[in-house]
Amino acid sequence: EVQLVESGGGLVQPGRSLKLSCVASGFTFNNYWMTWIRQAPGKGLEWVASITNTGGSTYYPDSVKGRFTISRDNAKSTLYLQMNSLRSEDTATYYCTRPAYWGQGVMVTVSS
Amino acid sequence: DVVLTQTPVAQPVTLGDQASISCRSSQSLVHSNGNTYLEWYLQKPGQSPQLLIYKVSNRFSGVPDRFIGSGSGSDFTLKISRVEPEDLGVYYCFQATHDPWTFGGGTKLELK
Repeated sequence: EVQLVESGGGLVQPGRSLKLSCVASGFTFNNYWMTWIRQAPGKGLEWVASITNTGGSTYYPDSVKGRFTISRDNAKSTLYLQMNSLRSEDTATYYCTRPAYWGQGVMVTVSS
Repeated sequence: DVVLTQTPVAQPVTLGDQASISCRSSQSLVHSNGNTYLEWYLQKPGQSPQLLIYKVSNRFSGVPDRFIGSGSGSDFTLKISRVEPEDLGVYYCFQATHDPWTFGGGTKLELK
């Protein structure tokens, strides 16, 4: 069974950093691109970052480019999202996803 | 960026009815490789989104055949025949043809 379990969320002040993790199981992790998607409270879905199966290439929308970094450790079947210079508009539930499967999400709140 | 416009925003239904959701793109979603990367997701209350349809009309594993995706170019439709209680929630279309990947604003399927 495919499982994606996120961790690392919480309350953080504007301008500070936070790193999310996602441990994957039930599939061959290094065969798949992985993606982070977020959802602000009561709002729709927004693509945040993607990484190729080898980690050789990464992709971001302009809203997070230069502030967020996606990475992976294929030996540990773990996906990461390093979030720097956080803003109030980054407040959201962050989902770890692979094609067709989503984790349960982790909440990030950016507030003073 | 590609804008996906979903209509209606809310669709009141009676159980057993057919429902239809439209997703119109600001540009063609045909990729240079000939594929059209248009997906449909359902987010039930308090849950992560779940994949229903990929590449316009392909049902994901386990998705009932009452869900039918269709369309081409920049105009797509999700039809749900004989709506059941477990079909209620918010439906999103999503495109991964053009960078940045984008979601539609969502359509809430609710009881009349």
